[in-house]
Amino acid sequence: NAGVMQNPRHLVRRRGQEARLRCSPMKGHSHVYWYRQLPEEGLKFMVYLQKENIIDESGMPKERFSAEFPKEGPSILRIQQVVRGDSAAYFCASSRVITDTQYFGPGTRLTVL
Amino acid sequence: RKEVEQDPGPFNVPEGATVAFNCTYSNSASQSFFWYRQDCRKEPKLLMSVYSSGNEDGRFTAQLNRASQYISLLIRDSKLSDSATYLCAVNEGGGSNYKLTFGKGTLLTVNP
Repeated sequence: NAGVMQNPRHLVRRRGQEARLRCSPMKGHSHVYWYRQLPEEGLKFMVYLQKENIIDESGMPKERFSAEFPKEGPSILRIQQVVRGDSAAYFCASSRVITDTQYFGPGTRLTVL
Repeated sequence: RKEVEQDPGPFNVPEGATVAFNCTYSNSASQSFFWYRQDCRKEPKLLMSVYSSGNEDGRFTAQLNRASQYISLLIRDSKLSDSATYLCAVNEGGGSNYKLTFGKGTLLTVNP
């Protein structure tokens, strides 16, 4: 039973480029959450999505960041015009129902040069 | 501001030792509490949920004190493989009970 999958595992971008991070939830899970972990910091909630709907994006920076979870395919976290401060580990988690335990994927480590 | 605070650590203990971590939370509406472990450069993995009556899973015991708003994790007979960062996570409660707030983590190193 495959867990949460994320790709790429490592992503290097130059300042000003776009970064696209993908997340496939566990089988049977329809709730997806994105968290960011900055160096020496705890994980911070970014956004919660269900299929085709953004439920809560209160943790997303107001500009350059967007997320989607289309009817078909993985959830995408998109960062436009990346800056050095975006360098972090981005983790996706999924749950079967909203009150269930969240299981985390292996993360994408974004490095902005 | 809803915060979760953990012992800063690091904790260095010999194999076989008993070690305890505490975590305090500020949001009295929180309803769910968890301990995750995170190995270096890996994803957080659920260690155990924390229930009101306290719960045990092998060498691990978790306690919740709602009145004082803290949770604890006790590890008995520690093993080398227990070396990791331990993260306390608390949900926001109310209509946002899916939103987890994490502490910064406590680094544990178990030495031979």
